[in-house]
Amino acid sequence: DQQVKQNSPSLSVQEGRISILNCDYTNSMFDYFLWYKKYPAEGPTFLISISSIKDKNEDGRFTVFLNKSAKHLSLHIVPSQPGDSAVYFCAATGNMLTFGGGTRLMVKP
Amino acid sequence: DTGVSQNPRHKITKRGQNVTFRCDPISEHNRLYWYRQTLGQGPEFLTYFQNEAQLEKSRLLSDRFSAERPKGSFSTLEIQRTEQGDSAMYLCASTPIGPPELFFGEGSRLTVL
Repeated sequence: DQQVKQNSPSLSVQEGRISILNCDYTNSMFDYFLWYKKYPAEGPTFLISISSIKDKNEDGRFTVFLNKSAKHLSLHIVPSQPGDSAVYFCAATGNMLTFGGGTRLMVKP
Repeated sequence: DTGVSQNPRHKITKRGQNVTFRCDPISEHNRLYWYRQTLGQGPEFLTYFQNEAQLEKSRLLSDRFSAERPKGSFSTLEIQRTEQGDSAMYLCASTPIGPPELFFGEGSRLTVL
């Protein structure tokens, strides 16, 4: 039973435009959500997080939105840059992190 | 480099052999996690330690798998009698007490022939 799902395996965006990556979860006990970025042959790198008591958190070009009623979160990257091309994982936690399957983002110059 | 360190980075072994991976977490990080990642999937939780205590184990961690963190610092993950289905990237992560923003190592890739 996948408790965290990323339904889009890939996303292609033009440089300078907005990238929106989506994530759905099923466990209402999750109270903290994170996004990780992964380049090939490297471990995941923490990007941004949000507590369940908030609905938005912003850090530079990255903003995470949380909709608890819909059990949905999204990551917005604006403007997108070619260096943002990577696999993005959302994760949620009660006791330990549960990861989604990832979305491969390709930002075209 | 003060990040999470994992060794070896890549291990190729024959089915039935035992393998051991080592993880050195960031200094003073109390919590240490092991995850497994296969191609096209997100990391799957295996087990975690708070200091030297192993507090949780996933059902993915069969009896052929054992993890230790003897002095609350580095950790080892041993797989006995490896099977081809064990081929994966084994990721270690650590975090201090507080928000669970895990810091991952670069992983140890296991290939079982």
